[in-house]
Amino acid sequence: ETGVTQTPRHLVMGMTNKKSLKCEQHLGHNAMYWYKQSAKKPLELMFVYNFKEQTENNSVPSRFSPECPNSSHLFLHLHTLQPEDSALYLCASSQDNSNYGYTFGSGTRLTVV
Amino acid sequence: GQQLNQSPQSMFIQEGEDVSMNCTSSSIFNTWLWYKQDPGEGPVLLIALYKAGELTSNGRLTAQFGITRKDSFLNISASIPSDVGIYFCAGQYSNTGNQFYFGTGTSLTVIP
Repeated sequence: ETGVTQTPRHLVMGMTNKKSLKCEQHLGHNAMYWYKQSAKKPLELMFVYNFKEQTENNSVPSRFSPECPNSSHLFLHLHTLQPEDSALYLCASSQDNSNYGYTFGSGTRLTVV
Repeated sequence: GQQLNQSPQSMFIQEGEDVSMNCTSSSIFNTWLWYKQDPGEGPVLLIALYKAGELTSNGRLTAQFGITRKDSFLNISASIPSDVGIYFCAGQYSNTGNQFYFGTGTSLTVIP
């Protein structure tokens, strides 16, 4: 248990479905991140939130929509995804202005059929 | 964004062998981190390095912050089957909260 909890662990969804991924951190951090990890590819940063404000959006398609209601919770809303969106989605948190690195959750394995 | 190059991309070794991997960047970093990702899990921090030349150990793992500040090295001694996983380096430009950039990963397989 890293202190960053992601649910669900596994998700299979059709291309017309709408689903949400949830991330919760119990570390008192004030920055949260969504990463996408595809097979044989580096970690891809998707979104960054500092103090609940989105500070980075790395040209992510609009079918991915993040939400950060407070500094402990982060969501990724998914709709009309494509099969190539199948991947491991990792949430991480950190203390802003810190060089201690990120704490990652266990990820959600997403399969789009 | 900044990309860190790790080598080798993958390694297959016999149990008991030592392992070396490295990470290089075109930019100077102030912080280097090494993470391990077990199959089906998120990356977990192994070692953090904050000073050029610094050598830090965590059990059988030893990491070094390169003197040029553009590279870092991770060694694993006497490998065991549970060392299997993907090892990532990560670097940060500044100590004032700038983003960490992740390497491409080294996949390690240990043959019993």
